[in-house]
Amino acid sequence: DIQMTQSPSSLSASVGDRVTITCRASQTISSYLNWYQQKPGKAPKFLIYAASSLQSGVPSRFSGSGSGTDFTLTISSLQPEDFATYYCQQSSSVPHTFGQGTKLEIK
Amino acid sequence: EVQLLESGGGLVQPGGSLRLSCAASGFTFSTYAMSWVRQAPGKGLEWVSAISGNGGNTYYADSVKGRFTISRDNSKNTLSLQMNSLRGDDTAVYYCAKTAGGSWRSGWGDWGQGALVTVSS
Repeated sequence: DIQMTQSPSSLSASVGDRVTITCRASQTISSYLNWYQQKPGKAPKFLIYAASSLQSGVPSRFSGSGSGTDFTLTISSLQPEDFATYYCQQSSSVPHTFGQGTKLEIK
Repeated sequence: EVQLLESGGGLVQPGGSLRLSCAASGFTFSTYAMSWVRQAPGKGLEWVSAISGNGGNTYYADSVKGRFTISRDNSKNTLSLQMNSLRGDDTAVYYCAKTAGGSWRSGWGDWGQGALVTVSS
């Protein structure tokens, strides 16, 4: 199975900050990398697919990059509603493993 | 509007069985792969199982292989997960999810609200 490792596990930031979350795959997954946002008690929300394509309706302050084994999610200017937990997931091969999550908290 | 509504969760004893269902609407159900993803209390997301649009291909995480069975009824727009030999570490919220596009690889774009399964004596 492909292992997905996110860093950091948690992050404190302020409204207006630029933040970056990293995701690393244990083997190459081309660009089959997705990002999700989850708020407490809610289902995950699909943000980015194919490493860098923004899902319809997702604000443009979110962006993704990378290919192969190393990927990043960037939020250009944090908004209050962005404080949540973020997960990467590879969809290159089953099982479609998730990273352990990055909890983004208000500083 | 895509809607996914899980049902069938509840409290079950270790070794017992439970069947989850996911009623889908708002899209052509048979043309999309579907999956189950779970989240143990306070933990991260774990992909559990997936099934192709026509039901011909199924996949499982090692943690549930041989105990869980995914299936779908395209005539009723329903996805199911039969869970047998349940253990304490199966306790989680179970989400059904739909692929964002026509491929397994397009990510899981729509999710239900989740169904809580608690395995305890």
